[in-house]
Amino acid sequence: DARVTQTPRHKVTEMGQEVTMRCQPILGHNTVFWYRQTMMQGLELLAYFRNRAPLDDSGMPKDRFSAEMPDATLATLKIQPSEPRDSAVYFCASGLVLSGQAFKYFGPGTRLTVT
Amino acid sequence: TQLLEQSPQFLSIQEGENLTVYCNSSSVFSSLQWYRQEPGEGPVLLVTVVTGGEVKKLKRLTFQFGDARKDSSLHITAAQPGDTGLYLCAGFMDTGRRALTFGSGTRLQVQP
Repeated sequence: DARVTQTPRHKVTEMGQEVTMRCQPILGHNTVFWYRQTMMQGLELLAYFRNRAPLDDSGMPKDRFSAEMPDATLATLKIQPSEPRDSAVYFCASGLVLSGQAFKYFGPGTRLTVT
Repeated sequence: TQLLEQSPQFLSIQEGENLTVYCNSSSVFSSLQWYRQEPGEGPVLLVTVVTGGEVKKLKRLTFQFGDARKDSSLHITAAQPGDTGLYLCAGFMDTGRRALTFGSGTRLQVQP
């Protein structure tokens, strides 16, 4: 049963610290997404990659957030420096297109709390 | 302002009741998806609708895409406690950012 995995599941850190979240997409999926979910804003797309190339990162605060895919089995989202307003659940999702339909599978998320 | 508005935001019903959740927008989408999210988990895709007026059934769940592809509804017949969760609609546009935009969500609680 293939799944998207994310680590860590929970992270509490102090303002100003660097945070790195990791995601292992489902093998064979060529698209990887990073979303952020808060009560106020709901699910927001931060960035996505296709075949490891960044296609869109317009949803990310550029000065502090960065997303990379060093290889096909790992995607990372880094926040430096972190701020309390970054507190949210961060989801990674991987997907592919089959017969013209897009399928997307979400990981369990990383709950980030910045104090 | 959300591009996709869902209503109601919260719904608490008794087991066996029927319910409908709405997803509305002023924008036209090339396709629309519905997800269910349980606490501590990521959203899980339920269905994708592509054609205006399309109706899809998934056991007790019926999904409809509006004729103009601006809105959608999810109807649950004889709700069960296992249906409890956050229901999210998400629309995809073939122009602009070419990515899914999620609605605000409907939190459903089905009491046994």
